[in-house]
Amino acid sequence: GENVEQHPSTLSVQEGDSAVIKCTYSDSASNYFPWYKQELGKGPQLIIDIRSNVGEKKDQRIAVTLNKTAKHFSLHITETQPEDSAVYFCAAPGRDSSYKLIFGSGTRLLVRP
Amino acid sequence: GAVVSQHPSRVICKSGTSVKIECRSLDFQATTMFWYRQFPKQSLMLMATSNEGSKATYEQGVEKDKFLINHASLTLSTLTVTSAHPEDSSFYICSGSAGGSETQYFGPGTRLLVL
Repeated sequence: GENVEQHPSTLSVQEGDSAVIKCTYSDSASNYFPWYKQELGKGPQLIIDIRSNVGEKKDQRIAVTLNKTAKHFSLHITETQPEDSAVYFCAAPGRDSSYKLIFGSGTRLLVRP
Repeated sequence: GAVVSQHPSRVICKSGTSVKIECRSLDFQATTMFWYRQFPKQSLMLMATSNEGSKATYEQGVEKDKFLINHASLTLSTLTVTSAHPEDSSFYICSGSAGGSETQYFGPGTRLLVL
């Protein structure tokens, strides 16, 4: 946690294609990595999370991979649909508290029909 | 997932007045609640963390006397913006987590506009 970098800042894909968003973190002790989806004017919604004891987790079209050695984790969305268009945030625990989350800067995903 | 509500969803107030925002966990007990502020096209910035029955812990740069937080029960936290000014206009979002869990569930947010 503590410093979480996210890229790209914007991503435009054709409907049906895959989208990948990457985040890196600085605290090697971090062990929990959630991803949130935020639609315009709404609060963030938890879509998937992963803990450090596994390298990959899938939930239908969404998957998250974690590389603890390199300190990065990624969100993969397959068979994208227009309703996937939103801002996506990654997060990792803050160094002084495992319950505080530090958020990435966000990725605006646009899925073109 | 767990449900968190916020009230009001949007509020407009005059400069110098105070505004209270409520955050409720509807189907779980939120041992810890968090308050965030989000400016347009920016990320979420944590303002403070509150544990039920304890004083809130504020992030660096957040004035505790201006942003009063109360977490009197396991299902309710309130944020009061005192003597609001136009620069306080923002999207305020709360989240809650159950005891021992890192998972945070967010409310729908409150849009504050100070004229």
